[in-house]
Amino acid sequence: DAGVIQSPRHEVTEMGQEVTLRCKPISGHNSLFWYRQTMMRGLELLIYFNNNVPIDDSGMPEDRFSAKMPNASFSTLKIQPSEPRDSAVYFCASSPRTVGQPQHFGDGTRLSIL
Amino acid sequence: AQSVTQLDSHVSVSEGTPVLLRCNYSSSYSPSLFWYVQHPNKGLQLLLKYTSAATLVKGINGFEAEFKKSETSFHLTKPSAHMSDAAEYFCVGGFGNEKLTFGTGTRLTIIP
Repeated sequence: DAGVIQSPRHEVTEMGQEVTLRCKPISGHNSLFWYRQTMMRGLELLIYFNNNVPIDDSGMPEDRFSAKMPNASFSTLKIQPSEPRDSAVYFCASSPRTVGQPQHFGDGTRLSIL
Repeated sequence: AQSVTQLDSHVSVSEGTPVLLRCNYSSSYSPSLFWYVQHPNKGLQLLLKYTSAATLVKGINGFEAEFKKSETSFHLTKPSAHMSDAAEYFCVGGFGNEKLTFGTGTRLTIIP
């Protein structure tokens, strides 16, 4: 079975550029989560969706960050404009919309903003 | 408030010896608890899960964990460490909604 698929795996870009990260959740999973992982702050939940609808975006750091889920099989996380402090590994995870079920993680996108 | 605490940020064991990674939780609800492993440059992989069935949970790669309500603990164990077990381990709690609460992680080092 295909797991959560993220692209690109690595992204290096210059400050001020727009960055778009992509995620394909596991088929049949109704919940999708975006996380950011850094050495300093560990794993942080940015936003999550249920049935394509954003439920909680309180973790989104600022207005430069936005996320969409146009359909059940695709989500994007966009940073515009990007800054060096956005450098991190960004993970997407999905789960069935059932309390108590684990989340399944993609391999992440390693983002470096120069 | 719900929380998950991993008691050791770093554990070192010799290859072939037992592994113990400690985790405590705080919750007024009956929690779901998970252990995940993260190898370098990889995502988090589910090792095992507790969801109010058997208190002793067996996972992949020989790992197991025991839910002890009286001690609010969910420690991860393995009888014999292998070099491939070197990784970061996260204890994670689910407390009544889709969001998960992550511990700060324990880095496991295996000494040859």
